Amino acid sequence: GNSVTQMEGPVTLSEEAFLTINCTYTATGYPSLFWYVQYPGEGLQLLLKATKADDKGSNKGFEATYRKETTSFHLEKGSVQVSDSAVYFCALSQYSNYQLIWGAGTKLIIKP
Amino acid sequence: ETGVTQSPTHLIKTRGQQVTLRCSSQSGHNTVSWYQQALGQGPQFIFQYYREEENGRGNFPPRFSGLQFPNYSSELNVNALELDDSALYLCASSSGRGIDEKLFFGSGTQLSVL
Repeated sequence: GNSVTQMEGPVTLSEEAFLTINCTYTATGYPSLFWYVQYPGEGLQLLLKATKADDKGSNKGFEATYRKETTSFHLEKGSVQVSDSAVYFCALSQYSNYQLIWGAGTKLIIKP
Repeated sequence: ETGVTQSPTHLIKTRGQQVTLRCSSQSGHNTVSWYQQALGQGPQFIFQYYREEENGRGNFPPRFSGLQFPNYSSELNVNALELDDSALYLCASSSGRGIDEKLFFGSGTQLSVL
């Protein structure tokens, strides 16, 4: 079945460091791919998405490119801030029953 | 514009009991999805309701059931609670049933089954 695998956390970085959070997927067909973020004490929020191969999603300085050849959708940011500390979830769409399939989440800690 | 609200925020039940969780959709949204999130895991899809009809279902037993009302608010009912049902239950609304629609999540109901 379809699945999403994320790098385990926590990931701890200093402010202004470069961020990569790895996400790979297994899917039949051509799913859309998503990154959602959960800030402390808040609900999940869509960060960015890409709906077809080679698309790049971007928002708030974060980017991810839909790579079909490597079945990946890695999240990147050039210079992280303390306010980026959160849990990040990678997900894919499964059209057969209208669900999102989620990775386990990666906790990101940014130190000043 | 009000966001997605869930009630209650926390709940403690004992094994074998029944529970009802409630969700108010964001204004203008006609689709509600429910997810179960165990500690340290990603959300697991329970089901989706679109215009009061169940539109899709994940791998959850029939004792997990739901309703969507004409105002598009929703309930999740769980019968015969088991210890493994302890989790955070998330409700998400969207403006259409397509899975590529942006989901707006509530803060969840934390259910503990003792």
